[in-house]
Formats: sequence, structure tokens, C-alpha cells
Amino acid sequence: QVQLVQSGAEVKKPGSSVKVSCKASGGTFSNYDISWVRQAPGQGLECMGGIMPVFGTANYAQKFQGRVIISADESTSTAYMELSSLRSEDTALYYCAIFKDPTGLHPVDVWGQGTMVTVSS
Amino acid sequence: AIQMTQSPSPLSASVGDRVNITCRASQAIRNFLGWYQQKPGKAPKLLIYTASSLQSGVPSRFSGSGSGTDFTLTISSLEPEDSATYYCLQDYTYPYTFGQGTKLEIK
Repeated sequence: QVQLVQSGAEVKKPGSSVKVSCKASGGTFSNYDISWVRQAPGQGLECMGGIMPVFGTANYAQKFQGRVIISADESTSTAYMELSSLRSEDTALYYCAIFKDPTGLHPVDVWGQGTMVTVSS
Repeated sequence: AIQMTQSPSPLSASVGDRVNITCRASQAIRNFLGWYQQKPGKAPKLLIYTASSLQSGVPSRFSGSGSGTDFTLTISSLEPEDSATYYCLQDYTYPYTFGQGTKLEIK
């Protein structure tokens, strides 16, 4: 079963950028559809976008278009989410997750442990 | 992007009650709908996939129904441990989108 391990917590200044990593093990990384989900304190789940490494093309929620870059390095089985122009409202717990198997037909309920990003001056 | 609208929120019910949580998609998503349960400090947990299939290990009191734009999560007989926030997720098309969540309180 694939597992996801994320990078550690970050504290950033407003206007800066953050890059969170998500390393996969135990599965064929390239064929999975890896999503990024964030959750602000006390708020709901918000899907930011995702990537299927074998295709290399990311998709993004309109809210984050132009501010987020999702990428993947097949050689290290690692996905990345970079968010720029950070503001206080970006303070949140950021998860990487896999929802489906490579066929898209069967569920895969795998989540990273979450990376807390705090934006504060 | 497809918008997912959940109701009710919040929801308060008693142990043994039958509860329904609904999710409406802004356009048809066939049966590409999952239901997740999240407890404080934990990652979400999949309960139902493809609208009506029970994820392995999930108690049978949870069930899902619907297709197209309207979906329902049913808990047939509430247990104290069902206190949580519930989310629907459409994975029919990118970007995937969650409903806003339904916080379920056990009276």
C-alpha cells in the first residue's frame, strides 16, 4: 500500500513562498493521481489541485491559479506544492492525498500527515 | 469548477437516530462522489466511494445513495463515535471539489 510522508512545518512571512514536499513509498508513484488539500484552522477541506506524475500536467483550482505550482519528481517519487505571495489567510494544514488507484476505478484513501504552514509577520 | 453544496450544517441528533446528509453538485457527476469523515486533529477517512460503495472496514450503518447531481449519506443508527464532520468530494473532473462540511453533534 502506498504511503505519503510530507515535509515539516513552515513559518513564512507575508509575500514569501513555501514549497511543501510529499514523498511516496510502497507503490508505483508515477501512475497515481496526487492531490493537494488544505484546511485552515477551524475550516473545511479545500482541494487546491493535483498531478499525475506520468503525465506531468497539473490541474489547479481557480482560486489558486497563478499562485500555486504543483509538480512531481518521478526519480525521487516526490510531489511538490509551491504557494507564492503568501498572506495570513494561507495559514493552514496542507495535505497531499491519493483518492483513487491508477485505473481510477478503485478507491485509495491515503493521506500524508499534513504540513502546517503559518504565515505571520 | 463543479461546486458541491452540503446540507444541513450543523446537525444535532441523538444516539440511535437515523440521519441523512445531502450533497448537491452544480452539474452532473455520474456517481463520482465520495463521503469522508473527519475527527478533530485527524486526516479525513473515506466512508463511501462511487456514491454507494462502502469502504472496507467501515461499519454497515453508513450507506450512500444518489447519482447525477443529488447524493445522500445515511447513518442508520447513530453511535457516540459518529460525532465528526462529514464531507462529500466529487472526483469526476478536475479540480476535485469538497462540500463545505456537515458537523454532526451527538446530543
